[in-house]
Amino acid sequence: DTAVSQTPKYLVTQMGNDKSIKCEQNLGHDTMYWYKQDSKKFLKIMFSYNNKELIINETVPNRFSPKSPDKAHLNLHINSLELGDSAVYFCASSQFAGAEAFFGQGTRLTVV
Amino acid sequence: AQSVTQLDSQVPVFEEAPVELRCNYSSSVSVYLFWYVQYPNQGLQLLLKYLSGSTLVKGINGFEAEFNKSQTSFHLRKPSVHISDTAEYFCAVSEVNDYKLSFGAGTTVTVRA
Repeated sequence: DTAVSQTPKYLVTQMGNDKSIKCEQNLGHDTMYWYKQDSKKFLKIMFSYNNKELIINETVPNRFSPKSPDKAHLNLHINSLELGDSAVYFCASSQFAGAEAFFGQGTRLTVV
Repeated sequence: AQSVTQLDSQVPVFEEAPVELRCNYSSSVSVYLFWYVQYPNQGLQLLLKYLSGSTLVKGINGFEAEFNKSQTSFHLRKPSVHISDTAEYFCAVSEVNDYKLSFGAGTTVTVRA
């Protein structure tokens, strides 16, 4: 069983479209994250959630809206996609604040 | 706020040779430290972590790292690398009780026969 799973793995879409990425963890963790990895492989945190509550929003454009229906799920919805949104998006979870994060396999988003 | 600097962007190394990847961090409070590995087109896998206790930490695949508080460093080492160790390596730091894991820019390790 995959600990942190994301769908889809690949996403190709046109500018201006709206898309969602889903994430689920079966580790029983309270904390979940979204990270963005750019073309130079730099990883930057976007959001942190703890027990379904938003803890960190790292100056992400409001076109990005995370939603956590329960502790095991953290989805990412992106409105009006732009070319600069092309990247790999990783979902992750951790047992407590500051603990090691377990990552999903990533979603490669390409905006054309 | 914490930050991480990985001092080497690329490290070429021959098979069976030792390798050291350097990582320095900056923080005004206590931290947890991690090394992750990313193989091509895959997610990040935890190699090892330092939370407290012994400053020499052993991880998977023969890797180890040493926490040096006075030098604010957490260098990663492996005494003998394999072709399969070719990957991107990331150092990461989080402040205790913080909900943010900050990553270095990564070090590309290329192992050649």
